[in-house]
Amino acid sequence: EVQLVQSGAEVKKPGESLKISCKGSGYSFSTYWIGWVRQMPGKGLEWMGIIYPGDSDTRYSPSFHGHVTFSADKSITTAYLQLSSLEASDTAIYYCARVAAGTPRYFDYWGQGTRVTFSS
Amino acid sequence: SYELTQPPSVSVSPGQTARITCSGDALSKQYGYWFQQKTGQAPVLLIYKDSERPSGIPERFSASSSGTTVTLTISGVRAEDEADYYCQTADSSGTYWVFGGGTELTVI
Repeated sequence: EVQLVQSGAEVKKPGESLKISCKGSGYSFSTYWIGWVRQMPGKGLEWMGIIYPGDSDTRYSPSFHGHVTFSADKSITTAYLQLSSLEASDTAIYYCARVAAGTPRYFDYWGQGTRVTFSS
Repeated sequence: SYELTQPPSVSVSPGQTARITCSGDALSKQYGYWFQQKTGQAPVLLIYKDSERPSGIPERFSASSSGTTVTLTISGVRAEDEADYYCQTADSSGTYWVFGGGTELTVI
């Protein structure tokens, strides 16, 4: 069974950095792209980009490029989303999702989401 | 451009048919995909490659494509189908993906 399990909710302060993990199991982790999606409170889904764990090839959405970093450690079948210099506007749920094999690419399995909130 | 436009909301009575449209120039060149997101849950893939249904998705969910519009059809709507529905596609190169704004389906 394909599973993507994300790290738990985070409470951050402005200026801090954040690293969310997404552990894949039940499939060959290295050979499937993993993507990240943001959902701000009460809003829709936003595609942030994708990473190929096999060689860490990445594609970033222009809307997020420079503010986020994707990485992956195939030895522990885990992908990461890193955000630096957090702002209150980064409040959101962040989802990882597996990209189906082959082309065209699309998300076929999703993680449960990681909620990021801020304290003053 | 690769923006996708969906109606913000659709209402339907139980047992009726709901249709949700998604429009965008990119859909004339790229496949459309549909995701269902129930309150407090992660999205679930409903439809891929315009009209294909993954295993486990009920047959009452179907979709079609025509020109720059893809349409999700839910036949015999049930109360449990109340959710947000998102379409998604990619730019002409397939490199950058985009989601529609989402449609809230209300079963009244």
